[in-house]
Amino acid sequence: AQKVTQAQTEISVVEKEDVTLDCVYETRDTTYYLFWYKQPPSGELVFLIRRNSFDEQNEISGRYSWNFQKSTSSFNFTITASQVVDSAVYFCARGNSWGKLQFGAGTQVVVTP
Amino acid sequence: NAGVMQNPRHLVRRRGQEARLRCSPMKGHSHVYWYRQLPEEGLKFMVYLQKENIIDESGMPKERFSAEFPKEGPSILRIQQVVRGDSAAYFCASSPTGTGFYEQYFGPGTRLTVT
Repeated sequence: AQKVTQAQTEISVVEKEDVTLDCVYETRDTTYYLFWYKQPPSGELVFLIRRNSFDEQNEISGRYSWNFQKSTSSFNFTITASQVVDSAVYFCARGNSWGKLQFGAGTQVVVTP
Repeated sequence: NAGVMQNPRHLVRRRGQEARLRCSPMKGHSHVYWYRQLPEEGLKFMVYLQKENIIDESGMPKERFSAEFPKEGPSILRIQQVVRGDSAAYFCASSPTGTGFYEQYFGPGTRLTVT
């Protein structure tokens, strides 16, 4: 089965430090989509970013940035200058052509003041 | 523009009862996905529906689970004769199209507890 692997189960940082979350995926598809979602303690799932397999341009959006490398099947996510409100579980997900998402196990980020 | 709505937010059922979970997609979205988050198991895809059609149910347990998305009204995930192992958070997501290009917007989830 094609997997999405988030090797880090928990990352603890002090406020204002940067946090990088790793994600490695497996796929046999030529077209696929990659996502990061955030699940704060309140439990809802919040969409953060999306990347298409044919677009390896890395971008920055506010305090979020991502590094998509097709050659290594990695889609890493960075929070710059972390804040306490960033404390949450972060999920990497791979989507197929009709939107079925396969999630990684999640990485718990704990930001302390 | 209201987001994805799910109700109830919390549902308690005794073993053997039926659970009905409802999902109203975002306005203008006609594609609905259900996911289940079991303790210690992460988020798993269950089923993908369009209006009046089940497109992909590869993640649905073979027995006791069913889903529908009628022409009018919310999508329903139905679990018959619930067992303790069904206790989980069930999330619904919607998308404007049935392509992976668009992100899915998730509802707040229904926490099902089976006693």
